[in-house]
Amino acid sequence: DTAVSQTPKYLVTQMGNDKSIKCEQNLGHDTMYWYKQDSKKFLKIMFSYNNKELIINETVPNRFSPKSPDKAHLNLHINSLELGDSAVYFCASSQAGQGNQPQHFGDGTRLSIL
Amino acid sequence: DAKTTQPNSMESNEEEPVHLPCNHSTISGTDYIHWYRQLPSQGPEYVIHGLTSNVNNRMASLAIAEDRKSSTLILHRATLRDAAVYYCILRGPTGTASKLTFGTGTRLQVTL
Repeated sequence: DTAVSQTPKYLVTQMGNDKSIKCEQNLGHDTMYWYKQDSKKFLKIMFSYNNKELIINETVPNRFSPKSPDKAHLNLHINSLELGDSAVYFCASSQAGQGNQPQHFGDGTRLSIL
Repeated sequence: DAKTTQPNSMESNEEEPVHLPCNHSTISGTDYIHWYRQLPSQGPEYVIHGLTSNVNNRMASLAIAEDRKSSTLILHRATLRDAAVYYCILRGPTGTASKLTFGTGTRLQVTL
């Protein structure tokens, strides 16, 4: 039973294309996140949704558009892909709380731009 | 979010205890101390968290200094599977806007 699942696991595409990454969680959490891990292994928050509403948007280019159709899903669409978008993208979920709720992560989507 | 400082890397022998330190001198009274780890080619994994008292779970123990300006993650018997990057993160009571701010972490190497 995978708690947080992302698809696809690998994504290789050309510069300028548009692609989507899907994320689903079966933990009953109300908050979901997207993180980006660059080539230097630095992990950084991109977006967070709580009950389908955007609550964190960390100065991400507007080529990145998250969508949350329901509490269990948070998808990430990327337009006009650039070389610098090559990274591993992690989805996570948690229950909203007072800083004491753990986040559960997926295994990542490895995006490579040719 | 308040900043944490961790050694870049540590080494341990298998079957021995490992103590991973973290300094957080600017911690506020309501910040929780969280530890996550990231195994190679995997997503971060929650390990443990605490506020003031020491905590134990099946994965590890967390020892928190009395003044809360430092903490130590303790792996009681390191195995090869514990080789990972360990992140010490402070999380405040931000309600719904509760992101994780990752630093560079400590890379733990475990040898036979």
